[in-house]
Amino acid sequence: GAVVSQHPSWVICKSGTSVKIECRSLDFQATTMFWYRQFPKQSLMLMATSNEGSKATYEQGVEKDKFLINHASLTLSTLTVTSAHPEDSSFYICSANRASTDTQYFGPGTRLTVL
Amino acid sequence: KNEVEQSPQNLTAQEGEFITINCSYSVGISALHWLQQHPGGGIVSLFMLSSGKKKHGRLIATINIQEKHSSLHITASHPRDSAVYICAVRSSGGEKLTFGTGTRLTIIP
Repeated sequence: GAVVSQHPSWVICKSGTSVKIECRSLDFQATTMFWYRQFPKQSLMLMATSNEGSKATYEQGVEKDKFLINHASLTLSTLTVTSAHPEDSSFYICSANRASTDTQYFGPGTRLTVL
Repeated sequence: KNEVEQSPQNLTAQEGEFITINCSYSVGISALHWLQQHPGGGIVSLFMLSSGKKKHGRLIATINIQEKHSSLHITASHPRDSAVYICAVRSSGGEKLTFGTGTRLTIIP
């Protein structure tokens, strides 16, 4: 079956540093990838939609300069949390749409803790 | 009112019981997903439905487009089924998913 990986699976960083999270589709090409954030005991909230070779589309309230998204190829999208603050601590999940299907495949998530 | 409502929010049952989780939505959709999230956080896509019924092992998902309602059933429930089950809908003409708040299922041995 289709597999989406994320790296790292968890990261702890100091306030003010930047953190990059990678999302890869391992055995299929993903024309569209999605980045979600999930706070404890809450549902997933879409942050942005990432299309290969074009700028990401951010949801209302998500700062594009703080959450930089790069969809460099059909198998890789990255999310960089710049100048991280403790309130950015969350579980970040990506998903990928397999080209020519309607199915979204989810990555295992990255737990970010900002001290 | 959320676009996607799930019930119950929490469900505890004995091993072997038949489980039903409900999802109601208020918008026109092109597809509905049922997802499973285990305590570690990883999400598994269980079903994607646009009509009718699908079955995979002990899991059954149904959808009624006219009533804007879907159900996820688990037969012969097992402690390993303990997880959060999330309903998500894709609006007609769009790619984005809108998520329900999830149902936390606990199966007691």
